Amino acid sequence: GAVVSQHPSWVICKSGTSVKIECRSLDFQATTMFWYRQFPKQSLMLMATSNEGSKATYEQGVEKDKFLINHASLTLSTLTVTSAHPEDSSFYICSAIPGQGGDTQYFGPGTRLTVL
Amino acid sequence: QKEVEQDPGPLSVPEGAIVSLNCTYSNSAFQYFMWYRQYSRKGPELLMYTYSSGNKEDGRFTAQVDKSSKYISLFIRDSQPSDSATYLCAGLTGGGNKLTFGTGTQLKVEL
Repeated sequence: GAVVSQHPSWVICKSGTSVKIECRSLDFQATTMFWYRQFPKQSLMLMATSNEGSKATYEQGVEKDKFLINHASLTLSTLTVTSAHPEDSSFYICSAIPGQGGDTQYFGPGTRLTVL
Repeated sequence: QKEVEQDPGPLSVPEGAIVSLNCTYSNSAFQYFMWYRQYSRKGPELLMYTYSSGNKEDGRFTAQVDKSSKYISLFIRDSQPSDSATYLCAGLTGGGNKLTFGTGTQLKVEL
């Protein structure tokens, strides 16, 4: 149980284009989902907290207009990297908390974004 | 100062060894502590979850929390090559749901 999937697992795009990454909780409903970014040999850095039916809460230094988050249902959150640049190349990982008010996060397998 | 400090390694041990992975933290509000295992190019997998000080054991894994010294540990007994991964510690405040991760320690268990 508590499986989280991400799609795509790997994407390459040209500079200036937008890329959408999906995060799905497969066997549970998630009121809260999180989006992280991880650079090589570095830890996970929280980008934003996504709550179903409301606007995402972004961490300091993360541009909300560049990283658009939509949590349209209890099983799906999407992250859109707009006007991507090479410095946005990274490993993007989502996580989800089952049920309401829990605190155990289950992580997706990650999406590797390469911007040329 | 980072809220959670962790030696990045790499730590290399022979198969069958006891592995000790450690983190220190500075945020006194942390009440919950997690250990995640992350294989290369994969998402983190929850290994252990502890609350407050004390030990918790699950199979070959033991998590230890000492809140007085703000020190958390993960011990792996009878280490296997399949344990080779990056181990991330994380802290969570009571009533919150935002994890703060350490940088991760890369572990290599060699035959």
